Amino acid sequence: GQNIDQPTEMTATEGAIVQINCTYQTSGFNGLFWYQQHAGEAPTFLSYNVLDGLEEKGRFSSFLSRSKGYSYLLLKELQMKDSASYLCAVRDSDRGSTLGRLYFGRGTQLTVWP
Amino acid sequence: GAVVSQHPSRVICKSGTSVKIECRSLDFQATTMFWYRQFPKQSLMLMATSNEGSKATYEQGVEKDKFLINHASLTLSTLTVTSAHPEDSSFYICSAKLAGGYSYEQYFGPGTRLTVT
Repeated sequence: GQNIDQPTEMTATEGAIVQINCTYQTSGFNGLFWYQQHAGEAPTFLSYNVLDGLEEKGRFSSFLSRSKGYSYLLLKELQMKDSASYLCAVRDSDRGSTLGRLYFGRGTQLTVWP
Repeated sequence: GAVVSQHPSRVICKSGTSVKIECRSLDFQATTMFWYRQFPKQSLMLMATSNEGSKATYEQGVEKDKFLINHASLTLSTLTVTSAHPEDSSFYICSAKLAGGYSYEQYFGPGTRLTVT
């Protein structure tokens, strides 16, 4: 089975830094993704990690430790528009008819206060 | 960039009827498309993997006779919810993966809000 766990809700203030954690236990692993989703909209891609370490992309960074089954998304200089749900997703197999399928966590609803 | 569209964006239907949702990759070819369902305040649940020219692979617990998937071309996959019931009301999202080469990214459609009355 697939088990991807992340906090349900987080709050922070504008300009602050927030870290959203994700732990996973999956039958296969071929990469971890972070997506941002605003209410009623489709997810938008934020980051991708397949090797251990930190990937930085502007105000967003994502970290992966495969041995610990752990990742985090770091958001710096928070803005009001960052209020959204952040989804952690693990890609399963890298071959066969289900190549590339993603399993999502429940999402972390981040609220940024002024 | 890669754009995926879905049609319709919203649909309301009566219980017992069937609804077809289309997912199109507009500017790229997709050998693989995925269908997800999302209930309010829940995450995306993968329903099935759709490969062009072959039968879809359904996730455990998803009824293949109720959720018919057809991926007849490299740019179009359809999901038909047959004999819909109120519990099928949900947000259905598709994603598409670039054909050829090695690509890690999936491109999501804008979603279809289905309400069954």
